[in-house]
Amino acid sequence: DTGVSQNPRHKITKRGQNVTFRCDPISEHNRLYWYRQTLGQGPEFLTYFQNEAQLEKSRLLSDRFSAERPKGSFSTLEIQRTEQGDSAMYLCASRGQGGTGELFFGEGSRLTVL
Amino acid sequence: AQKITQTQPGMFVQEKEAVTLDCTYDTSDQSYGLFWYKQPSSGEMIFLIYQGSYDEQNATEGRYSLNFQKARKSANLVISASQLGDSAMYFCAMREGGRNSGYSTLTFGKGTMLLVSP
Repeated sequence: DTGVSQNPRHKITKRGQNVTFRCDPISEHNRLYWYRQTLGQGPEFLTYFQNEAQLEKSRLLSDRFSAERPKGSFSTLEIQRTEQGDSAMYLCASRGQGGTGELFFGEGSRLTVL
Repeated sequence: AQKITQTQPGMFVQEKEAVTLDCTYDTSDQSYGLFWYKQPSSGEMIFLIYQGSYDEQNATEGRYSLNFQKARKSANLVISASQLGDSAMYFCAMREGGRNSGYSTLTFGKGTMLLVSP
């Protein structure tokens, strides 16, 4: 399968713990995005990478959130000191050069903070 | 102001009937793109159809068509001959700027839940 892959698919954690999600984009895609989706809402933009450079961060990305894409391939999203309000689906998407600007999404990582 | 507005929280349609899902958008850019995605219960966002702001003809992809009315800033999705497998959340999204703009993230609406009954 050459689509966008996300791990883990589900994570249950206690408040205050740290969690890390991984995203493997489509191999030839140089642009990678993280979105957050809460119940009943559309995806909300968190951050954007072009190759290894993090070019944009949303105001939703508090200091407890950090994202990396060290070699311009896979990316990680870490949430420190989780809060119940962090419970959401975290979606990763990628796209290449040109085209329509369509984003290719992974299946998401669902976080539940108890 | 919201950039993408989907006013229908839920829609019901009978199998084989056509259904229109509404989407209005707000942008001051001349160049932009409009997208529709489907999200079944499994969670994955599936791209359906794209319309560029300079495209003169409405986009079509199989049973999906996009009714683009630029002056009204609307981009409604029409699904013809609904199937049971069409039951899902549908999201309208917009990319501001040209398709090669460096940033080009998508802004999504809140979605419409479509239920197709036999």
